[in-house]
Amino acid sequence: GNSVTQMEGPVTLSEEAFLTINCTYTATGYPSLFWYVQYPGEGLQLLLKATKADDKGSNKGFEATYRKETTSFHLEKGSVQVSDSAVYFCALSDNSGNTPLVFGKGTRLSVIA
Amino acid sequence: DGGITQSPKYLFRKEGQNVTLSCEQNLNHDAMYWYRQDPGQGLRLIYYSQIVNDFQKGDIAEGYSVSREKKESFPLTVTSAQKNPTAFYLCASSGQFLNNSPLHFGNGTRLTVT
Repeated sequence: GNSVTQMEGPVTLSEEAFLTINCTYTATGYPSLFWYVQYPGEGLQLLLKATKADDKGSNKGFEATYRKETTSFHLEKGSVQVSDSAVYFCALSDNSGNTPLVFGKGTRLSVIA
Repeated sequence: DGGITQSPKYLFRKEGQNVTLSCEQNLNHDAMYWYRQDPGQGLRLIYYSQIVNDFQKGDIAEGYSVSREKKESFPLTVTSAQKNPTAFYLCASSGQFLNNSPLHFGNGTRLTVT
């Protein structure tokens, strides 16, 4: 079946450090890939998405490139801020129209000043 | 403003009691979902509904029930049969049950059962 594997957290970085959160997936066909973010005490929000191979999703300084050859969708940001502290979820859809999104377990990021 | 409203934010119940969590959306979305979030477990799908008067079990439906009598509303009942009900519950909706359609989430209800 479809699955998403994220790097285990928590990740702690200093302000202005470079961020990478790894995400790899298993799916048949040509899935769409997503990153969602959850700030403390809130629900999840869509951060970015990519719907086909080599697409790059970007938003708020975050980027992720859909790599079919390595089945990966790693999240990156060049310079993190304290306000980026949150839990980040990688998610996959198989585009069949039959099954809901599959989420990874989430990676908690803490950015310290 | 359009969005998803979950109420209440915090809910406390005694063991053995059923409890219903509310989820309302004014986004005119067809599909709605319930997830459970536990530390270290990520999101697990409880139930989902593609359209009014229809719903399907997710990965962990045992001990839960839902209804979808109106497009705007998708209440979740946590029954006394649910062995570990204490958790953070998230409701979501999407425009269609198509996988490129992003999910919109409510702010969650934290249920504590003692």
